[in-house]
Amino acid sequence: EIVLTQSPATLSLSPGERATLSCRASQSVGDYLAWYQQKPGQAPRLLIYDISRRATDIAARFSGSGSGTDFTLTISSLEPEDFAVYYCQQRRNWVTFGGGTKVEIK
Amino acid sequence: QVQVQESGPGLVKPSGTLSLTCTVSGDAITSNVWWSWIRQPPGKGLEWLGEIYHGGSANYSPSLRSRVTMSLDKSKNQFSLKLNSVTAADTAVYYCAREIQAAFDPWGQGILVSVSS
Repeated sequence: EIVLTQSPATLSLSPGERATLSCRASQSVGDYLAWYQQKPGQAPRLLIYDISRRATDIAARFSGSGSGTDFTLTISSLEPEDFAVYYCQQRRNWVTFGGGTKVEIK
Repeated sequence: QVQVQESGPGLVKPSGTLSLTCTVSGDAITSNVWWSWIRQPPGKGLEWLGEIYHGGSANYSPSLRSRVTMSLDKSKNQFSLKLNSVTAADTAVYYCAREIQAAFDPWGQGILVSVSS
């Protein structure tokens, strides 16, 4: 099983700031890395797939990067609606999710 | 616009069988994609349970393989999940989702299933 480790667990930032979220895999996941946003009481929403491709209707301030085992989700300038929990997910070997990063208002 | 929606009992007794159905609209269950079940225990992270393809092929999470069965009903455009021998550890919000481009989109709104006597 490929283990995904997300860091930090919590990120405290103010609106307008840049958020950088990390996802590290225990072995290479190729291109099969996706990111989701989840707000309280809601289902996760796909943001990024194939490491860097934005899903339909996802704002340009969200971007994904990385390769092999190290990946990053960047939110260039936080909007009030971006404060949520973010998960990474791999599909290289079965499916696993990271433990999540909570982006909270500072 | 593709939508998926979970349905089923919200309460299951310990040692019983959890049974859920996902109804798909806006896409055919026979399209060239996999359909998955994912769960999230209260306050915790996401766990993939398995997936099914319209040809009948299914893949299950190694950790749950002995207890999970998935099926689909082409006439109703639905797919289903059965999880047997449930315990309190199986209490979670259960989501169904379409897998496309190695990611999940869309997701259903989720259904909370509690295991309790």
